[in-house]
Amino acid sequence: DQQVKQNSPSLSVQEGRISILNCDYTNSMFDYFLWYKKYPAEGPTFLISISSIKDKNEDGRFTVFLNKSAKHLSLHIVPSQPGDSAVYFCAAESLGGYQKVTFGTGTKLQVIP
Amino acid sequence: DGGITQSPKYLFRKEGQNVTLSCEQNLNHDAMYWYRQDPGQGLRLIYYSQIVNDFQKGDIAEGYSVSREKKESFPLTVTSAQKNPTAFYLCASTFGTGYGYTFGSGTRLTVV
Repeated sequence: DQQVKQNSPSLSVQEGRISILNCDYTNSMFDYFLWYKKYPAEGPTFLISISSIKDKNEDGRFTVFLNKSAKHLSLHIVPSQPGDSAVYFCAAESLGGYQKVTFGTGTKLQVIP
Repeated sequence: DGGITQSPKYLFRKEGQNVTLSCEQNLNHDAMYWYRQDPGQGLRLIYYSQIVNDFQKGDIAEGYSVSREKKESFPLTVTSAQKNPTAFYLCASTFGTGYGYTFGSGTRLTVV
């Protein structure tokens, strides 16, 4: 049962344009949503998170939007840079008990110079 | 500099052997995790530990074992019972919910 889904395995964007990465989830009990960036043969690095009580969180070029009614979140990168080329994982976690994060399958972003 | 160190970076195992992957953190995080990454399958949770001397099975724990004798260390043993151990293994730790994980740089295990 895939509770966090990233339906686009890959995305290509021109340098300077906006990159929009999408993520859908099924569990309405998730309290936090997070985005990670991963280069090949390296561990993921945490990018940005959003609480379920908010609908937007911004950090520099990265903005995450949360639509709880649609169970959908998205990561916007503006402007996109070649160094942003990586795999992006969406993740979700719940408060209480052991903290377990559920990851999506990832979207490979290629920013074309 | 605080972080998580995984070793070795590359590991080769013969059929029927047990191997142990090391994970050490100096971030003073209580919670630690082991994930496995396979192509097209994202990250799948093997084991996790909230406190010393306590750990829980994740979604794919069969064929793996862990220990948590110290807060800083969370080694993973891949046993001969794991039928398809070739994968990229990631260790992570966190302060708590919403803070995000800090990941190690990973260990690539190959069965030869």
